[in-house]
Amino acid sequence: GNSVTQMEGPVTLSEEAFLTINCTYTATGYPSLFWYVQYPGEGLQLLLKATKADDKGSNKGFEATYRKETTSFHLEKGSVQVSDSAVYFCALSDRSNAGKSTFGDGTTLTVKP
Amino acid sequence: KAGVTQTPRYLIKTRGQQVTLSCSPISGHRSVSWYQQTPGQGLQFLFEYFSETQRNKGNFPGRFSGRQFSNSRSEMNVSTLELGDSALYLCASSFGGESYEQYFGPGTRLTVT
Repeated sequence: GNSVTQMEGPVTLSEEAFLTINCTYTATGYPSLFWYVQYPGEGLQLLLKATKADDKGSNKGFEATYRKETTSFHLEKGSVQVSDSAVYFCALSDRSNAGKSTFGDGTTLTVKP
Repeated sequence: KAGVTQTPRYLIKTRGQQVTLSCSPISGHRSVSWYQQTPGQGLQFLFEYFSETQRNKGNFPGRFSGRQFSNSRSEMNVSTLELGDSALYLCASSFGGESYEQYFGPGTRLTVT
């Protein structure tokens, strides 16, 4: 079955530091890959996506590249802000399991001023 | 366009009772999925409905059930509540075609005492 493994948190960074959150996946087909963000007391928000190998998703300064050869989709941001503090989830979905996303365990990011 | 709405936002129930949660998807979305989020288990898929039919189901006991109406609104029901059912229940909607990203509601926080 499908699975997603994220780097364990929590991650604490100073403002303007570089962020990487590692994500690797296992899937039988050709999944679409996603990063979602969850702020306290809220649901998940789609941050970015990539639907095929070598695609780069980007949004709000965050980027992730779909690497089929390493089955990875690492999240990066060049300069984090205090407002980026949240929980980040890597996820995948594929045609054979439409409507059923598989999520990683989430990585809590805290950015200190 | 209005986002996914869930009602109620908070709920306190007693063991043995039953509960019904409601979800209204984004206009035009035909797929509605439900997830349970807990600190220990993370995000777990409950089921997904597409055009009033259950298309996918997770590994939850039969006490958890759902349905979808012709206007795509969905409800989930949990009967004979247990303490372990305390969780944030998230609803997500999507078009249901080949675009698999999901849009989440704010969730219903269920506490079972």
